[in-house]
Amino acid sequence: DTTVKQNPRYKLARVGKPVNLICSQTMNHDTMYWYQKKPNQAPKLLLFYYDKILNREADTFEKFQSSRPNNSFCSLYIGSAGLEYSAMYLCASSSSQGNTEVFFGKGTRLTVV
Amino acid sequence: AQKVTQTQTSISVVEKTTVTMDCVYETRDSSYFLFWYKQTASGEIVFLIRQDSYKKENATVGHYSLNFQKPKSSIGLIITATQIEDSAVYFCAMRNYNQGKLIFGQGTKLSIKP
Repeated sequence: DTTVKQNPRYKLARVGKPVNLICSQTMNHDTMYWYQKKPNQAPKLLLFYYDKILNREADTFEKFQSSRPNNSFCSLYIGSAGLEYSAMYLCASSSSQGNTEVFFGKGTRLTVV
Repeated sequence: AQKVTQTQTSISVVEKTTVTMDCVYETRDSSYFLFWYKQTASGEIVFLIRQDSYKKENATVGHYSLNFQKPKSSIGLIITATQIEDSAVYFCAMRNYNQGKLIFGQGTKLSIKP
């Protein structure tokens, strides 16, 4: 099974409210990623876990939190959603070896109103 | 720092022809990996093909092949015998050997017309 699963597929959130997105993989990958994708833009890396070590991108450092309680599971947390957070959120996983494929989930489409 | 650039915003070709999409990259690492992904209409990101920087031979998978020109830091994607279902947004991406990050280009929207 080479799938990355994301829940939910669609999420509606109110401005100022928290949002929690969930991702799981069963490929025993040591690395899991979260990307934000907006229309006509490149997928933007928000953060990634290598094993239990969280790496957050400098420009999104304070906006997103994440947890990885075990190898298979990773969440993305937004403490207070703003309209600008409306986007597709893509979870991905891979082995840390650079030549391996990065597998993507089908995404969660978040709409903040 | 890593950077991936796709200058072609959109391309339109007739079905059954060959199309080439351009991509250039920047990295300070001597060993790196280049990928092409496709985003379907539903938003799903699907892996297509990979090129390892230390390999001189261009990668080929099905009707996808790569034109790797290392001195120019260029990795073009070639799709032969295009089909209507090849219509999608195509992303070039790069990953350095010792770093987990996968960095994407801006994408090229490909439209295949009958």
